[in-house]
Amino acid sequence: GAGVSQSPSNKVTEKGKDVELRCDPISGHTALYWYRQRLGQGLEFLIYFQGNSAPDKSGLPSDRFSAERTGESVSTLTIQRTQQEDSAVYLCASSLDLPAEAFFGQGTRLTVV
Amino acid sequence: GQSLEQPSEVTAVEGAIVQINCTYQTSGFYGLSWYQQHDGGAPTFLSYNALDGLEETGRFSSFLSRSDSYGYLLLQELQMKDSASYFCAVRDSPNAGKSTFGDGTTLTVKP
Repeated sequence: GAGVSQSPSNKVTEKGKDVELRCDPISGHTALYWYRQRLGQGLEFLIYFQGNSAPDKSGLPSDRFSAERTGESVSTLTIQRTQQEDSAVYLCASSLDLPAEAFFGQGTRLTVV
Repeated sequence: GQSLEQPSEVTAVEGAIVQINCTYQTSGFYGLSWYQQHDGGAPTFLSYNALDGLEETGRFSSFLSRSDSYGYLLLQELQMKDSASYFCAVRDSPNAGKSTFGDGTTLTVKP
């Protein structure tokens, strides 16, 4: 596609349920990043992938959060047993390689009720 | 760790010039980036400074002073469409996509 695509755009879930958020990066981009943005705040780094490997998972807030990437393409961020504090916009970005500028998707707005 | 400070809000009129400052404290520094984000939209890369000095891209310029741990984004000939949030972000590695972001400055441009 022309840009980074994320789905769903909005997700409302009940506390305690698991959710999966999907990111389709720009074709050919080897690096992929996940960020979280709480209302009125900056972006908080979660994890990045180089190819299908995740060299840096340092930003994942807890073991309820996990992510994978397959085929050096699509990535899925999974949040288990969601809590209200997980409510935020989850943004995905990709770049051609590590030093190159990253392009962001529109994000998935997650609301935990 | 990293911390960044930028003003929470700035207001200016169409055609004016506005400067958004960013100070940072960092344990590693590879450069300072600026992003624009319209309400509900994706952050869009504006500029990147790895070395001291001014970088100009059209109406937008960005400045960095590493000795002062300080940078700014300068927006000239403001237009209504420039109303958005602006984030400074520090790269603490050569990895361009992994940055620590400030909380953003909301710019409101008035007619």
